Amino acid sequence: GEDVEQSLFLSVREGDSSVINCTYTDSSSTYLYWYKQEPGAGLQLLTYIFSNMDMKQDQRLTVLLNKKDKHLSLRIADTQTGDSAIYFCASSGRDTGRRALTFGSGTRLQVQP
Amino acid sequence: DARVTQTPRHKVTEMGQEVTMRCQPILGHNTVFWYRQTMMQGLELLAYFRNRAPLDDSGMPKDRFSAEMPDATLATLKIQPSEPRDSAVYFCASGLILGRESYEQYFGPGTRLTVT
Repeated sequence: GEDVEQSLFLSVREGDSSVINCTYTDSSSTYLYWYKQEPGAGLQLLTYIFSNMDMKQDQRLTVLLNKKDKHLSLRIADTQTGDSAIYFCASSGRDTGRRALTFGSGTRLQVQP
Repeated sequence: DARVTQTPRHKVTEMGQEVTMRCQPILGHNTVFWYRQTMMQGLELLAYFRNRAPLDDSGMPKDRFSAEMPDATLATLKIQPSEPRDSAVYFCASGLILGRESYEQYFGPGTRLTVT
């Protein structure tokens, strides 16, 4: 079945850029997503990218997709302390079957002042 | 500001008791998902509905869990009887279809369940 993997932890200084990486196994994934989860809260959809795109930019967020390598990244420019959270990568598509979304285990981003 | 709402936000109960969690999806969304989140297992999909019909509940222990959508504004997840291993945060999400088996999902704040 589909597998989505992320590194567990990233620490950056306020004002720097953060890059969170994700790899997935299903080459038929049609959409790839980034969610943010703050403590005690649900998951917030940040952005998603269709598989025929290489890049998507939305304000401070830039998503890069390398379909050949099955690699997805989320870049946060000018990282703020409010960006501290867990970031989940997820994929959907044919081979996820009827499971709708496959989530990675999440990357905890810590922003130091 | 349209949001998914879930009640209760917290529930503490004793083993063997029935637990009912409720979710109000965003108006106009025709898909509803139930997830469970634990430290050990991460996010697990339990069940999902499209147009109120269950599409997949293979992630749910059938002997004790049941999920329903009595109408378009209410989804319920019941556990009977509850067990300590059911302790987790249960999320409801509602969504719009993007494409085949692809959805733009919006999550509720979750119900934190503790079974003692």
